[in-house]
Amino acid sequence: EPEVTQTPSHQVTQMGQEVILRCVPISNHLYFYWYRQILGQKVEFLVSFYNNEISEKSEIFDDQFSVERPDGSNFTLKIRSTKLEDSAMYFCASSFLDSNQPQHFGDGTRLSIL
Amino acid sequence: DQQVKQNSPSLSVQEGRISILNCDYTNSMFDYFLWYKKYPAEGPTFLISISSIKDKNEDGRFTVFLNKSAKHLSLHIVPSQPGDSAVYFCAASARNDMRFGAGTRLTVKP
Repeated sequence: EPEVTQTPSHQVTQMGQEVILRCVPISNHLYFYWYRQILGQKVEFLVSFYNNEISEKSEIFDDQFSVERPDGSNFTLKIRSTKLEDSAMYFCASSFLDSNQPQHFGDGTRLSIL
Repeated sequence: DQQVKQNSPSLSVQEGRISILNCDYTNSMFDYFLWYKKYPAEGPTFLISISSIKDKNEDGRFTVFLNKSAKHLSLHIVPSQPGDSAVYFCAASARNDMRFGAGTRLTVKP
C-alpha cells in the first residue's frame, strides 16, 4: 500500500538555524498538509497546500514557516530561524481530494532544537 | 484551540467487551469527521470516517456515530482486542483544515 514518507526521522538543530523537513506524499494525491505535535500535546494543523499554493493555514503558521513543492514528488516545510518551542514531532499528510477524504500520514520527523 | 475535544484521556476495557470513545466539537462548519489510531513512534493511521450527512458508519468491528445536534461523535469497537490498545484521535475537518482532539489512550486487557 502506498505510504507517505518523511525524512529525516530525527533532526537536531541549534536555535536560530534554518531547518527543512522533507516529505514524499502518496503519488496520486493532490493535497498536502503539515501538522505538529509538541510532546504531551495534541496534533495541531499547520498548513494545507494544493496546486502549488497554500490553501489554508493556522495561526501557528507564521512568517518563520514556509512550504514548497520543489519538484513532482517532494513537499517540504522550512522553519527559518528555529526557536526552542519549535521542538515537536512534525507530521506530513496527503489526500486525493480536499474534503470528505481521509488524510494519510507519514511517521513524522522529531525536531529537537538545542 | 478547543474546537475538538476528547474529555477522557484514557480508557481501559476488558478483551471482548465494547470500547466507546467520545468526542465533542464546537465548530458547526465541520462536515467530515474521522478517527485515527496512533502507536508510539508512528504517524496517525486512518481508521474510519463519517460525513455530516450521515449519522452512522460501520466498518467491521468499528462503528462511528454522529449526533450533529449535540455536536458529538463516538467510536465503538466491538469486540475489543488487545491489539486495539493505542491512542485514538478524533478529527474534524472543514474542507482541508483538519483539527484534532487531544486523544484517548485505550488499553484493552486480556
